[in-house]
Amino acid sequence: AQKVTQAQTEISVVEKEDVTLDCVYETRDTTYYLFWYKQPPSGELVFLIRRNSFDEQNEISGRYSWNFQKSTSSFNFTITASQVVDSAVYFCALSGYNTDKLIFGTGTRLQVFP
Amino acid sequence: GAVVSQHPSRVICKSGTSVKIECRSLDFQATTMFWYRQFPKQSLMLMATSNEGSKATYEQGVEKDKFLINHASLTLSTLTVTSAHPEDSSFYICSADGGRGYEQYFGPGTRLTVT
Repeated sequence: AQKVTQAQTEISVVEKEDVTLDCVYETRDTTYYLFWYKQPPSGELVFLIRRNSFDEQNEISGRYSWNFQKSTSSFNFTITASQVVDSAVYFCALSGYNTDKLIFGTGTRLQVFP
Repeated sequence: GAVVSQHPSRVICKSGTSVKIECRSLDFQATTMFWYRQFPKQSLMLMATSNEGSKATYEQGVEKDKFLINHASLTLSTLTVTSAHPEDSSFYICSADGGRGYEQYFGPGTRLTVT
């Protein structure tokens, strides 16, 4: 069975702090994809990143970085120098190789205070 | 590219009535679309997978007769909530398969309130 766990329900930080959102997944597939999405208060999901299981290189995109570790089945997301606009719910998700189905974690609500 | 629209964005209806929500892929064709439901402060739960020209595949626990899905063309899927009740009030989100098997493009969602 596939499962995504985001243990942090809610995180509050002050602007300019760094924050890491944890994601742990379970799957029996040898090939799979991992995703992060942002859901601002408007509700629309914003795609942030997709990572396939064969690519364990960490990725950096501006203030965002992702750490994929197969050994611990984790795909953590770090926001550096957080800003108020980063306030949103962040979802980690998983899909298998031959399926389009996305399994979402329960989400982490990030609040960044000025 | 890869824009998905949903209509309406918000709808309020009376208990017992039916509501139709449209999901359109605006600049690409989608043989597969997905319907999700999200309760307040909760995660997205997949309701069904909609394939163009065939019957939708529903997830366990989702009532087929209550949530009618039609995918009549490569750019349009509809979800009809029949005989809606207050417990059906939720945020419904669709997504469309971009064709590469691992990409989904999400619509902006429809907030349904049943009074």
